[in-house]
Amino acid sequence: AQSVTQLGSHVSVSEGALVLLRCNYSSSVPPYLFWYVQYPNQGLQLLLKYTSAATLVKGINGFEAEFKKSETSFHLTKPSAHMSDAAEYFCAVSDRNGNKLVFGAGTILRVKS
Amino acid sequence: DVKVTQSSRYLVKRTGEKVFLECVQDMDHENMFWYRQDPGLGLRLIYFSYDVKMKEKGDIPEGYSVSREKKERFSLILESASTNQTSMYLCATETTSYGELFFGEGSRLTVL
Repeated sequence: AQSVTQLGSHVSVSEGALVLLRCNYSSSVPPYLFWYVQYPNQGLQLLLKYTSAATLVKGINGFEAEFKKSETSFHLTKPSAHMSDAAEYFCAVSDRNGNKLVFGAGTILRVKS
Repeated sequence: DVKVTQSSRYLVKRTGEKVFLECVQDMDHENMFWYRQDPGLGLRLIYFSYDVKMKEKGDIPEGYSVSREKKERFSLILESASTNQTSMYLCATETTSYGELFFGEGSRLTVL
């Protein structure tokens, strides 16, 4: 069975600082990996996805994530945080057989001015 | 752009009431999902559907049912609402790319 662990339910950074949100996954087959973002009072939207092409994936709003098979990780980064990045971020995994997505518990990102 | 519309953003119901949450999509996607979102638990799958008239149980189907009479509409039904069903409910559709979901804005249900 697949699973996702997001380390840190809350992360706080200063505006302009590096953002690092951690995600580790468990999957018995090569996975598809995703990051979704949820802004206050909204649904989730796709930030980026890994589907076996380049291991470094670039997404919207300057975010990127790197797939590291040896570490079973897919951490999300952004070089410089902006106030508008404050949101909840979800890591998710699916297998390549069309099985349903499994979400992590989420990480709330706070950006301090 | 894909649009997923959930009929009610906020609802307050009494224990024992029947509750309908409706979701409509405009992109002809085959797959539709209902999730429940609770703090610290992420998103948990209640039911999903890969075609009209078809439904499959997700991870937490107890206390819920669904209906998909038309391709664009997927309804979540709480036959007899209970206080532990107070939550945010999210509807989503899926393209042919596995895992790329499009979400509605959510329906926040409070059961008193």
